[in-house]
Amino acid sequence: KAGVTQTPRYLIKTRGQQVTLSCSPISGHRSVSWYQQTPGQGLQFLFEYFSETQRNKGNFPGRFSGRQFSNSRSEMNVSTLELGDSALYLCASSLERGRDFYNEQFFGPGTRLTVL
Amino acid sequence: KNEVEQSPQNLTAQEGEFITINCSYSVGISALHWLQQHPGGGIVSLFMLSSGKKKHGRLIATINIQEKHSSLHITASHPRDSAVYICAVRLVEASGSRLTFGEGTQLTVNP
Repeated sequence: KAGVTQTPRYLIKTRGQQVTLSCSPISGHRSVSWYQQTPGQGLQFLFEYFSETQRNKGNFPGRFSGRQFSNSRSEMNVSTLELGDSALYLCASSLERGRDFYNEQFFGPGTRLTVL
Repeated sequence: KNEVEQSPQNLTAQEGEFITINCSYSVGISALHWLQQHPGGGIVSLFMLSSGKKKHGRLIATINIQEKHSSLHITASHPRDSAVYICAVRLVEASGSRLTFGEGTQLTVNP
């Protein structure tokens, strides 16, 4: 079974631009979560999607948004990029059967975003 | 104070040594995860625990819900175990659930 894939793997943007990152979960997984990892703040939760619905959102500004499609693939978008948005963005999928049943998360390789 | 505290932050060991990494949390959780991250960023989930103890090969994870504490043990450590080990807890809130992460423990195992 193929693992979680993320595209692109590396991205360089300039301040003020916007970016869209993509995540394809493991086949059959309906839950996708997104995380930001920076040297200063470590790993932080961005969003969690289940069956096309955002279940929870972390403490990030409205410039960060996401969505999930009917095939469980997910995208996240960051508008008006700032230097501080430079980070490794990770997505993870899991086979969750409902709100109160949680499974192991399988992480993708991440997208490394550099904002100049 | 962080909701998840790991110790030590850095750990250097000789090949073959027994290693323990600790994780303490301050909130009620539904599960605790131990993750491994190698240079380059890839994260692998090692364990997900809600009670007791789990073992996989040379790795053992334990959790004490009453004391809000978990440990990750590596027996007969090997240089390939060198990585960052991250403890994460799943919090269930009114708005949904989320993982909250510790700062990680950088483990270096020397041959």
